[in-house]
Amino acid sequence: EPEVTQTPSHQVTQMGQEVILRCVPISNHLYFYWYRQILGQKVEFLVSFYNNEISEKSEIFDDQFSVERPDGSNFTLKIRSTKLEDSAMYFCASSRQGSEKLFFGSGTQLSVL
Amino acid sequence: GEDVEQSLFLSVREGDSSVINCTYTDSSSTYLYWYKQEPGAGLQLLTYIFSNMDMKQDQRLTVLLNKKDKHLSLRIADTQTGDSAIYFCAESFYNQGGKLIFGQGTELSVKP
Repeated sequence: EPEVTQTPSHQVTQMGQEVILRCVPISNHLYFYWYRQILGQKVEFLVSFYNNEISEKSEIFDDQFSVERPDGSNFTLKIRSTKLEDSAMYFCASSRQGSEKLFFGSGTQLSVL
Repeated sequence: GEDVEQSLFLSVREGDSSVINCTYTDSSSTYLYWYKQEPGAGLQLLTYIFSNMDMKQDQRLTVLLNKKDKHLSLRIADTQTGDSAIYFCAESFYNQGGKLIFGQGTELSVKP
């Protein structure tokens, strides 16, 4: 069964450093998403992406964050200057259509020291 | 605003039925979902229901939606130890770019 894959599974970085989290969505899906889950808190929406542009973003998704689909298969989340509070599990997801069932990857655990 | 709430824990015996409950505040949702998260794993889509349906059955899983009370439930028949996980309900909305609002998750513990 096709799945969303994320790399790396764990990322440790120093505060102030840039990180790029990578995702390969399901191949015939057109909508791509990033969510995050801070330890002990709810899974939160960050951003959705369709047709090479952001279609929706949350208040969390400030200027420190950016997304890109650099080629036909990858979808990335960049955090420019990481803060301690960016430590979380980051989930990528994709769907064939917007507002339809989303399929999630297994996540990247980001630890900012 | 949009909010989804779940109880945090549920413990059942193997072979019993489990019922996981969820309440939500925004009735304009298009789909409501149940996701399962096993330790160290991602969010696995278990089942979903369109907001104009009342019930959906999928093998051991039964989803009930009470729109009047804004209540969603997931019933797992003949619960097995492999069903132990965290279960999240979530809702999506038309024209909001696939944004899901999640509950905090219910940890289901199945005892042999």
